[in-house]
Amino acid sequence: DGGITQSPKYLFRKEGQNVTLSCEQNLNHDAMYWYRQDPGQGLRLIYYSQIVNDFQKGDIAEGYSVSREKKESFPLTVTSAQKNPTAFYLCASSIDQKGLLTYGYTFGSGTRLTVV
Amino acid sequence: ELKVEQNPLFLSMQEGKNYTIYCNYSTTSDRLYWYRQDPGKSLESLFVLLSNGAVKQEGRLMASLDTKARLSTLHITAAVHDLSATYFCAVDTNRDDKIIFGKGTRLHILP
Repeated sequence: DGGITQSPKYLFRKEGQNVTLSCEQNLNHDAMYWYRQDPGQGLRLIYYSQIVNDFQKGDIAEGYSVSREKKESFPLTVTSAQKNPTAFYLCASSIDQKGLLTYGYTFGSGTRLTVV
Repeated sequence: ELKVEQNPLFLSMQEGKNYTIYCNYSTTSDRLYWYRQDPGKSLESLFVLLSNGAVKQEGRLMASLDTKARLSTLHITAAVHDLSATYFCAVDTNRDDKIIFGKGTRLHILP
């Protein structure tokens, strides 16, 4: 079955550490997205990528970095510059702009990151 | 900048009752999406509304879109406990391959 796989499901980070969240899709979707969700809040866009080797900052990109070397993969690195990284992180994808209009996003199952 | 507002943000209701969740947005858009999220889980697509006057129904949920009023509604008929979840609306920006989400409506249905 096609879908989006996020790993790990739970991740613990020590102060000053960088950590990388994995997002892989086998849907042959062009566009991929990273969102952050805090308790009682909506989803805030961190980064998105419409094609391989290209990505754009979202609304809260500071302290995060991404890469898009393959169509299937869009890893997110939470750097030590992100002062409050504890949150639920969701990866999503869409076919392309035309597909987004018709189908919206497909979401992964999420990674819960906690600073210890 | 597109802003999406949902209300109410929290709703507690009895089983068997009807209620409506509202989603207002600030700039022109023809496309709106509704998602459901169970606690600790990912988002599941419920409805995609692609034109003014669009209405879609699935079971006890019905969504509609009025692009002139910049308003979508999610109506719940004869609520059951299984519909307890957080419901998000999201609106296409008309510019990029991205959509903007509201803060979500946390729905709690009492048995």
